[in-house]
Amino acid sequence: DAGVIQSPRHEVTEMGQEVTLRCKPISGHDYLFWYRQTMMRGLELLIYFNNNVPIDDSGMPEDRFSAKMPNASFSTLKIQPSEPRDSAVYFCASSLKEQGIFGTNVLTFGAGSRLTVL
Amino acid sequence: DQQVKQNSPSLSVQEGRISILNCDYTNSMFDYFLWYKKYPAEGPTFLISISSIKDKNEDGRFTVFLNKSAKHLSLHIVPSQPGDSAVYFCAASDGWDDMRFGAGTRLTVKP
Repeated sequence: DAGVIQSPRHEVTEMGQEVTLRCKPISGHDYLFWYRQTMMRGLELLIYFNNNVPIDDSGMPEDRFSAKMPNASFSTLKIQPSEPRDSAVYFCASSLKEQGIFGTNVLTFGAGSRLTVL
Repeated sequence: DQQVKQNSPSLSVQEGRISILNCDYTNSMFDYFLWYKKYPAEGPTFLISISSIKDKNEDGRFTVFLNKSAKHLSLHIVPSQPGDSAVYFCAASDGWDDMRFGAGTRLTVKP
């Protein structure tokens, strides 16, 4: 498996433009997470899905942010309109909860999408 | 509201010495704790974990200690190597779903 795939790796845009970040989780994983990394706050959980259903979006900073997971192999994080303070690295991660096993939820992260809003 | 805190943004140690990275948490419901390691331009990768029923877990040069009463955990790396230089994130969860991370500590191991 190629791991969690994120695109684009780098995005530079101007304030007010729409930004769409994409994620392909590991095949068979049933959880998908979106995190944002900033110098001040580290890794912030934005939203996560279980079996394509959003479970907790309380970390989404504003209504300008939205996330979808139309199927098990694809998710998007959209920012519209974008602002300079949205500049950060956005990570997608996925995991599999194996039935009958009680243990640690180990996330596999993608390489991240670095967003710069001018 | 940061439920997981890493108060030291950076740490520098000499090769061969011990590195101790610290993490504090506020949510007493957390029952699993993990450390992730992140190199530049890569995503974080899982390093080691510990459940709340234990106070120590060891994996080679890496040991994680958990003090539930103090809501504190630490990662010990002995001996430290230059390849250990990375950002280390502490994470905690109160079930399977939710995973909260700290701000990270940048470790530099000097040759």
